[in-house]
Amino acid sequence: DAGITQSPRHKVTETGTPVTLRCHQTENHRYMYWYRQDPGHGLRLIHYSYGVKDTDKGEVSDGYSVSRSKTEDFLLTLESATSSQTSVYFCAITPSRDTDTQYFGPGTRLTVL
Amino acid sequence: GQNIDQPTEMTATEGAIVQINCTYQTSGFNGLFWYQQHAGEAPTFLSYNVLDGLEEKGRFSSFLSRSKGYSYLLLKELQMKDSASYLCAVYNTNAGKSTFGDGTTLTVKP
Repeated sequence: DAGITQSPRHKVTETGTPVTLRCHQTENHRYMYWYRQDPGHGLRLIHYSYGVKDTDKGEVSDGYSVSRSKTEDFLLTLESATSSQTSVYFCAITPSRDTDTQYFGPGTRLTVL
Repeated sequence: GQNIDQPTEMTATEGAIVQINCTYQTSGFNGLFWYQQHAGEAPTFLSYNVLDGLEEKGRFSSFLSRSKGYSYLLLKELQMKDSASYLCAVYNTNAGKSTFGDGTTLTVKP
Protein backbone atom coordinates (compact mmCIF):
# COMPACT_ATOMS: atom_id res chain seq x y z
CA ASP A 1 0.00 0.00 0.00
CA ALA A 2 1.12 3.51 -0.79
CA GLY A 3 2.21 5.37 2.33
CA ILE A 4 -0.49 7.99 2.49
CA THR A 5 -2.37 9.14 5.57
CA GLN A 6 -5.00 11.75 6.26
CA SER A 7 -5.82 13.57 9.46
CA PRO A 8 -8.21 13.94 11.07
CA ARG A 9 -10.25 10.95 9.91
CA HIS A 10 -13.48 12.44 11.24
CA LYS A 11 -14.39 15.98 12.14
CA VAL A 12 -17.53 17.81 13.16
CA THR A 13 -17.42 21.59 13.05
CA GLU A 14 -19.73 24.57 12.98
CA THR A 15 -20.59 26.86 10.09
CA GLY A 16 -18.17 29.76 9.75
CA THR A 17 -15.17 28.11 11.39
CA PRO A 18 -11.91 27.46 9.52
CA VAL A 19 -10.90 23.84 9.05
CA THR A 20 -7.60 22.35 7.87
CA LEU A 21 -7.22 18.79 6.62
CA ARG A 22 -3.81 17.23 6.27
CA CYS A 23 -2.51 14.72 3.76
CA HIS A 24 0.87 13.14 4.45
CA GLN A 25 2.82 10.80 2.14
CA THR A 26 6.01 8.84 2.62
CA GLU A 27 6.46 7.97 -1.08
CA ASN A 28 8.16 11.21 -2.15
CA HIS A 29 5.69 11.51 -5.04
CA ARG A 30 5.58 14.81 -6.80
CA TYR A 31 1.85 14.98 -7.60
CA MET A 32 -0.86 15.27 -4.97
CA TYR A 33 -4.62 15.86 -5.22
CA TRP A 34 -7.59 16.72 -3.03
CA TYR A 35 -11.04 15.41 -3.96
CA ARG A 36 -14.44 15.53 -2.38
CA GLN A 37 -16.97 12.73 -2.76
CA ASP A 38 -20.69 13.22 -2.36
CA PRO A 39 -23.56 10.85 -3.11
CA GLY A 40 -24.42 11.05 -6.80
CA HIS A 41 -21.36 13.11 -7.73
CA GLY A 42 -18.45 10.70 -7.66
CA LEU A 43 -15.01 12.22 -7.04
CA ARG A 44 -14.61 15.90 -7.82
CA LEU A 45 -11.22 17.56 -7.91
CA ILE A 46 -10.75 20.51 -5.54
CA HIS A 47 -7.06 21.40 -5.91
CA TYR A 48 -3.90 19.65 -6.99
CA SER A 49 -0.16 20.13 -6.70
CA TYR A 50 2.73 19.46 -9.04
CA GLY A 51 5.37 20.08 -6.43
CA VAL A 52 6.37 22.22 -3.48
CA LYS A 53 4.59 25.59 -3.65
CA ASP A 54 3.14 24.62 -7.04
CA THR A 55 -0.63 24.23 -6.89
CA ASP A 56 -3.62 24.69 -9.17
CA LYS A 57 -7.40 24.77 -8.95
CA GLY A 58 -9.70 21.90 -9.80
CA GLU A 59 -13.36 21.98 -10.78
CA VAL A 60 -14.78 22.75 -7.30
CA SER A 61 -12.19 25.03 -5.72
CA ASP A 62 -14.44 27.84 -4.41
CA GLY A 63 -14.23 28.10 -0.63
CA TYR A 64 -11.04 26.02 -0.44
CA SER A 65 -7.35 26.83 -0.38
CA VAL A 66 -4.28 24.60 -0.29
CA SER A 67 -0.65 24.77 0.65
CA ARG A 68 2.33 22.57 0.01
CA SER A 69 5.50 23.70 1.78
CA LYS A 70 7.05 20.21 1.85
CA THR A 71 6.92 17.33 -0.63
CA GLU A 72 5.26 15.05 1.91
CA ASP A 73 2.45 17.33 3.11
CA PHE A 74 -0.52 18.79 1.25
CA LEU A 75 -2.96 20.84 3.35
CA LEU A 76 -6.55 21.65 2.44
CA THR A 77 -8.18 24.60 4.24
CA LEU A 78 -11.85 25.49 4.33
CA GLU A 79 -11.60 29.18 5.03
CA SER A 80 -15.11 29.49 6.50
CA ALA A 81 -16.89 26.15 6.55
CA THR A 82 -20.44 25.89 5.20
CA SER A 83 -22.95 23.05 5.38
CA SER A 84 -22.48 22.47 1.64
CA GLN A 85 -18.91 21.42 2.40
CA THR A 86 -20.10 18.44 4.43
CA SER A 87 -18.50 15.60 2.51
CA VAL A 88 -15.86 12.90 2.46
CA TYR A 89 -12.48 14.27 1.42
CA PHE A 90 -9.86 12.09 -0.23
CA CYS A 91 -6.24 12.87 -0.85
CA ALA A 92 -4.44 11.08 -3.67
CA ILE A 93 -0.86 10.83 -4.88
CA THR A 94 0.67 9.75 -8.15
CA PRO A 95 4.32 9.20 -9.08
CA SER A 96 4.04 10.26 -12.71
CA ARG A 97 1.97 12.33 -15.09
CA ASP A 98 2.69 9.75 -17.77
CA THR A 99 -0.05 7.50 -16.42
CA ASP A 100 -1.59 9.36 -13.46
CA THR A 101 -2.40 6.11 -11.61
CA GLN A 102 -3.61 7.50 -8.31
CA TYR A 103 -3.28 6.06 -4.83
CA PHE A 104 -5.79 7.32 -2.33
CA GLY A 105 -5.63 8.06 1.36
CA PRO A 106 -8.27 6.64 3.73
CA GLY A 107 -10.44 9.76 3.60
CA THR A 108 -11.70 12.36 6.07
CA ARG A 109 -15.39 12.56 6.86
CA LEU A 110 -16.25 16.20 7.56
CA THR A 111 -19.59 17.34 8.93
CA VAL A 112 -20.40 21.05 9.07
CA LEU A 113 -23.37 21.86 11.32
CA GLY B 1 -14.37 19.52 -21.16
CA GLN B 2 -15.09 15.98 -20.03
CA ASN B 3 -18.38 14.09 -19.93
CA ILE B 4 -18.35 10.58 -18.51
CA ASP B 5 -21.39 8.33 -18.25
CA GLN B 6 -21.81 5.05 -16.45
CA PRO B 7 -24.88 3.31 -15.00
CA THR B 8 -25.73 4.26 -11.44
CA GLU B 9 -26.53 0.78 -10.15
CA MET B 10 -26.29 -2.85 -11.25
CA THR B 11 -27.21 -6.13 -9.62
CA ALA B 12 -25.81 -9.56 -10.43
CA THR B 13 -25.72 -13.05 -9.00
CA GLU B 14 -22.77 -14.74 -7.33
CA GLY B 15 -20.82 -16.80 -9.87
CA ALA B 16 -22.15 -14.86 -12.86
CA ILE B 17 -20.49 -12.40 -15.25
CA VAL B 18 -21.26 -8.68 -15.27
CA GLN B 19 -20.20 -5.91 -17.64
CA ILE B 20 -20.05 -2.30 -16.46
CA ASN B 21 -20.01 0.22 -19.29
CA CYS B 22 -18.46 3.67 -19.46
CA THR B 23 -18.82 6.19 -22.26
CA TYR B 24 -16.95 9.45 -22.51
CA GLN B 25 -16.65 12.61 -24.56
CA THR B 26 -13.43 14.47 -23.99
CA SER B 27 -11.33 17.26 -25.44
CA GLY B 28 -8.14 15.36 -24.69
CA PHE B 29 -7.57 11.71 -23.95
CA ASN B 30 -4.54 9.74 -22.83
CA GLY B 31 -6.05 6.74 -21.12
CA LEU B 32 -8.93 5.34 -19.09
CA PHE B 33 -8.84 4.04 -15.54
CA TRP B 34 -11.10 1.75 -13.55
CA TYR B 35 -11.07 1.96 -9.76
CA GLN B 36 -12.91 -0.13 -7.19
CA GLN B 37 -14.34 1.42 -4.05
CA HIS B 38 -15.91 -0.57 -1.22
CA ALA B 39 -18.40 1.24 0.98
CA GLY B 40 -16.65 3.49 3.49
CA GLU B 41 -13.24 2.92 1.96
CA ALA B 42 -10.90 4.66 -0.48
CA PRO B 43 -10.84 3.89 -4.21
CA THR B 44 -8.19 1.39 -5.33
CA PHE B 45 -6.68 1.01 -8.80
CA LEU B 46 -7.94 -1.82 -11.00
CA SER B 47 -6.81 -1.12 -14.56
CA TYR B 48 -5.51 1.44 -17.03
CA ASN B 49 -6.16 1.20 -20.77
CA VAL B 50 -4.32 3.33 -23.30
CA LEU B 51 -4.67 1.27 -26.46
CA ASP B 52 -7.77 -0.25 -28.02
CA GLY B 53 -8.59 -3.78 -27.00
CA LEU B 54 -9.11 -6.05 -24.05
CA GLU B 55 -6.75 -6.38 -21.12
CA GLU B 56 -7.26 -9.28 -18.76
CA LYS B 57 -6.17 -9.41 -15.15
CA GLY B 58 -7.45 -12.46 -13.36
CA ARG B 59 -11.23 -12.34 -12.97
CA PHE B 60 -11.30 -8.71 -14.14
CA SER B 61 -10.90 -7.50 -17.72
CA SER B 62 -11.10 -4.01 -19.15
CA PHE B 63 -11.84 -3.02 -22.73
CA LEU B 64 -11.28 0.26 -24.57
CA SER B 65 -12.42 1.64 -27.92
CA ARG B 66 -10.91 5.09 -28.42
CA SER B 67 -12.79 5.73 -31.66
CA LYS B 68 -16.14 5.05 -29.96
CA GLY B 69 -15.34 6.72 -26.64
CA TYR B 70 -16.31 3.52 -24.88
CA SER B 71 -14.93 1.23 -22.23
CA TYR B 72 -16.22 -1.62 -20.14
CA LEU B 73 -15.10 -3.52 -17.07
CA LEU B 74 -15.89 -7.23 -17.13
CA LEU B 75 -16.08 -9.15 -13.87
CA LYS B 76 -16.20 -12.95 -14.08
CA GLU B 77 -17.08 -15.56 -11.46
CA LEU B 78 -18.62 -12.90 -9.27
CA GLN B 79 -18.03 -13.12 -5.54
CA MET B 80 -19.85 -11.39 -2.73
CA LYS B 81 -16.75 -9.31 -2.05
CA ASP B 82 -17.10 -7.76 -5.52
CA SER B 83 -20.04 -5.73 -4.21
CA ALA B 84 -18.62 -2.21 -4.48
CA SER B 85 -18.68 0.95 -6.55
CA TYR B 86 -16.68 0.94 -9.79
CA LEU B 87 -15.35 4.29 -10.96
CA CYS B 88 -14.40 5.08 -14.53
CA ALA B 89 -11.88 7.91 -14.97
CA VAL B 90 -10.44 9.57 -18.06
CA TYR B 91 -6.90 10.92 -18.00
CA ASN B 92 -6.17 14.02 -20.04
CA THR B 93 -2.47 14.71 -20.46
CA ASN B 94 -3.13 18.26 -21.66
CA ALA B 95 -4.88 19.07 -18.40
CA GLY B 96 -2.57 16.84 -16.38
CA LYS B 97 -5.37 15.28 -14.37
CA SER B 98 -8.10 12.66 -14.37
CA THR B 99 -11.84 13.23 -14.45
CA PHE B 100 -14.03 10.67 -12.70
CA GLY B 101 -17.48 9.39 -13.58
CA ASP B 102 -20.07 9.18 -10.83
CA GLY B 103 -19.48 5.46 -10.33
CA THR B 104 -21.55 2.28 -10.70
CA THR B 105 -22.69 0.56 -7.52
CA LEU B 106 -22.63 -3.20 -8.06
CA THR B 107 -24.55 -5.47 -5.72
CA VAL B 108 -23.78 -9.17 -5.86
CA LYS B 109 -26.56 -11.40 -4.53
CA PRO B 110 -26.32 -15.05 -3.46
